[in-house]
Amino acid sequence: SQQGEEDPQALSIQEGENATMNCSYKTSINNLQWYRQNSGRGLVHLILIRSNEREKHSGRLRVTLDTSKKSSSLLITASRAADTASYFCATDDHSGNTGKLIFGQGTTLQVKP
Amino acid sequence: DAGVIQSPRHEVTEMGQEVTLRCKPISGHNSLFWYRQTMMRGLELLIYFNNNVPIDDSGMPEDRFSAKMPNASFSTLKIQPSEPRDSAVYFCASSWVSGGIGTQYFGPGTRLLVL
Repeated sequence: SQQGEEDPQALSIQEGENATMNCSYKTSINNLQWYRQNSGRGLVHLILIRSNEREKHSGRLRVTLDTSKKSSSLLITASRAADTASYFCATDDHSGNTGKLIFGQGTTLQVKP
Repeated sequence: DAGVIQSPRHEVTEMGQEVTLRCKPISGHNSLFWYRQTMMRGLELLIYFNNNVPIDDSGMPEDRFSAKMPNASFSTLKIQPSEPRDSAVYFCASSWVSGGIGTQYFGPGTRLLVL
């Protein structure tokens, strides 16, 4: 089954720096989504990018998608301590058309004040 | 809207007992998903419903697990009998899926500890 795999598994940066997380997947997709999870909480949707899109922005977030390489990246600019969380990419079931998502293992981001 | 509501938030039980987790999805959403999260296995999709109908339960670990969605406002995940390896955080998520695409809204999760 297709699955997003995030890289790196863990990332530690200073406040104000940019954080980049990558996601690779195996098969064709209709869309790829990024989610955030604060410790002890449920996941929160950040951004959705469709297979015919290459880049999308939302506030300090920038997501790119390269379908030829089957990869995506999430860039958080000017990071804040409050950005400390785990970030997951999720890919859909291209053939199933069901809204089902397969989540990767996540990248744990620590932003030091 | 209050978001996805899950109950209980925490459950501690003894091996062999029945456990029932409950979920109220966001009103108007047509799809509901049950996940399990552990450090070892990450976030696993257990089962999902579309318009209250189970679509894929291939992620359900074994026959001890069952899920129902009697109406659009309520779903349950039952474990009977429970085992220590079932200890995990169980999330329910709902979504409005259109054209095969939908963003998922997660509940706060139920932390289950089976002793």
